[in-house]
Amino acid sequence: AQTVTQSQPEMSVQEAETVTLSCTYDTSESDYYLFWYKQPPSRQMILVIRQEAYKQQNATENRFSVNFQKAAKSFSLKISDSQLGDAAMYFCALGGATNKLIFGTGTLLAVQP
Amino acid sequence: EAQVTQNPRYLITVTGKKLTVTCSQNMNHEYMSWYRQDPGLGLRQIYYSMNVEVTDKGDVPEGYKVSRKEKRNFPLILESPSPNQTSLYFCASSFVGGWYSPLHFGNGTRLTVT
Repeated sequence: AQTVTQSQPEMSVQEAETVTLSCTYDTSESDYYLFWYKQPPSRQMILVIRQEAYKQQNATENRFSVNFQKAAKSFSLKISDSQLGDAAMYFCALGGATNKLIFGTGTLLAVQP
Repeated sequence: EAQVTQNPRYLITVTGKKLTVTCSQNMNHEYMSWYRQDPGLGLRQIYYSMNVEVTDKGDVPEGYKVSRKEKRNFPLILESPSPNQTSLYFCASSFVGGWYSPLHFGNGTRLTVT
């Protein structure tokens, strides 16, 4: 069975600082994708970043980057220069072989001014 | 504008009263899916559809029905809602498949069953 674990239910960061959200996963598949989704208070689900398992290079999207450790099955999200608009629930998700995404339970990020 | 449209945004109903949550996408996506979001549980898949007339169960299908008569529409039907179906529901679509192609989500439907 595929699983995704987010062990930090809540986190807080000061504006302009850097924060890292943790995610671990388990899968027996060799080909899979990993995603981070952001859910602001508007509850819209927004794709932040995507990582293909066969790619060694860590994905980056502006201030958002991942640390993908395939052997350790770890996929953390780093947010640099945090902004007030980054405050949201963040979900890690795994896609592979099955016709669905497996989501973690989410990390609620607060940004302090 | 490319989007997934869900209606209604909020819905309050009583136990046993049939309801339908509509979902429509304008991106010509083959894959569509329904998820429910509950605190502490993340999002869990209810049903999905790989194409017109092709639907299959996800992880939590009990108490739900779906149909895919047209490519753009994928309604979620609760024939006899119960309080344990109180949740936040999301419809999502993607170009193909259900995992490697990024999902586009609707804005969610907050359902309360009393």
